[in-house]
Amino acid sequence: NAGVTQTPKFQVLKTGQSMTLQCAQDMNHEYMSWYRQDPGMGLRLIHYSVGAGITDQGEVPNGYNVSRSTTEDFPLRLLSAAPSQTSVYFCASGPPSGSYNEQFFGPGTRLTVL
Amino acid sequence: AQSVSQHNHHVILSEAASLELGCNYSYGGTVNLFWYVQYPGQHLQLLLKYFSGDPLVKGIKGFEAEFIKSKFSFNLRKPSVQWSDTAEYFCAVNLGNFNKFYFGSGTKLNVKP
Repeated sequence: NAGVTQTPKFQVLKTGQSMTLQCAQDMNHEYMSWYRQDPGMGLRLIHYSVGAGITDQGEVPNGYNVSRSTTEDFPLRLLSAAPSQTSVYFCASGPPSGSYNEQFFGPGTRLTVL
Repeated sequence: AQSVSQHNHHVILSEAASLELGCNYSYGGTVNLFWYVQYPGQHLQLLLKYFSGDPLVKGIKGFEAEFIKSKFSFNLRKPSVQWSDTAEYFCAVNLGNFNKFYFGSGTKLNVKP
């Protein structure tokens, strides 16, 4: 199993550009989520999904969109990048709600917005 | 709003010293509790977790944590740290609906050889 994979590893954008961060998992996990990690602030939940076709907002959803068309994939879209979105982004997945769930994290994407 | 507090932002220890990292959360209902570790340049890995039962849980690499419900705390401990424990440690709380995880701001541990 590859676990949770993320692409790209690094990305530099200009203000106003759009892009999609890719996340995939091969563990058949129903739960997937996106976090951003900023110095001194830990990880903050952006969006999450409890299954294909179902998504919901986390703590800091503004400026980000998600969709979940398959169990395996959970892309994160930045529609118009802003310098405040410079961060390290982690995708995570876990077993279904109600089970003894934990999250498995991907390697992260380091995004810089100029 | 729910919150997770880690009061120690940066801890420096010598090898063989004992470690205790504090974690407090602000939620009165059912919670599941986790400690994750992030080694330099790597992604988060689970150290240990608590769902129910014995409030003293043991994890990997000699770490343990104690859940004290009355204090809303889940402190991480290790009797004798090693240089390889140098990393950032995150406490996380999953609320009773299982769908949202809240992380603390992290504690950077630097172990001097």
